[in-house]
Amino acid sequence: DAKTTQPPSMDCAEGRAANLPCNHSTISGNEYVYWYRQIHSQGPQYIIHGLKNNETNEMASLIITEDRKSSTLILPHATLRDTAVYYCIVRQTGTASKLTFGTGTRLQVTL
Amino acid sequence: DADVTQTPRNRITKTGKRIMLECSQTKGHDRMYWYRQDPGLGLRLIYYSFDVKDINKGEISDGYSVSRQAQAKFSLSLESAIPNQTALYFCATSDLQRAGTDTQYFGPGTRLTVL
Repeated sequence: DAKTTQPPSMDCAEGRAANLPCNHSTISGNEYVYWYRQIHSQGPQYIIHGLKNNETNEMASLIITEDRKSSTLILPHATLRDTAVYYCIVRQTGTASKLTFGTGTRLQVTL
Repeated sequence: DADVTQTPRNRITKTGKRIMLECSQTKGHDRMYWYRQDPGLGLRLIYYSFDVKDINKGEISDGYSVSRQAQAKFSLSLESAIPNQTALYFCATSDLQRAGTDTQYFGPGTRLTVL
């Protein structure tokens, strides 16, 4: 699975959009981009995933660049409860593979 | 995710003791996984199972064993616990989708301390 690079930390004011970037320049054609988050020591929570088109669900939007070498997770109206470590993971389809969690981005939402 | 439960949630034990961590799911998924997380590190895969008759080692299976008693239950055992097995343990489940993706959903975790 391709390696990902994320900033170690970010701050966001409550109510504003949080834009979390991820670089995956070595991604291959059959690899999806997944986003998870982990709040304190709770189990990782699935957020969203995509292949090449932008995706949106009730939690977030995922914007993938046309060359697929980077993506951005957008939390449209961040709240204090969104404070967590966010992980960007690139993973092949159709495999039993593990999820390789890197160090992620620690998002701190403040008043 | 409330559909994936783990017991116990916290456990303190002594070196050399046998410990079993249990995972149950009501999501109807075929695939189940055990991960461990150490402070400041990402999750590492211990074992995974695609169905009741399928068990596979992950990247750090030494010192651990598993049992898939039913589609909904996947247990992790430490035959003789040692202090460096002190960690957070997470169970996860997934199901292969038509697109070939399988999104994993995690349980709340078990905090294990080996003295």
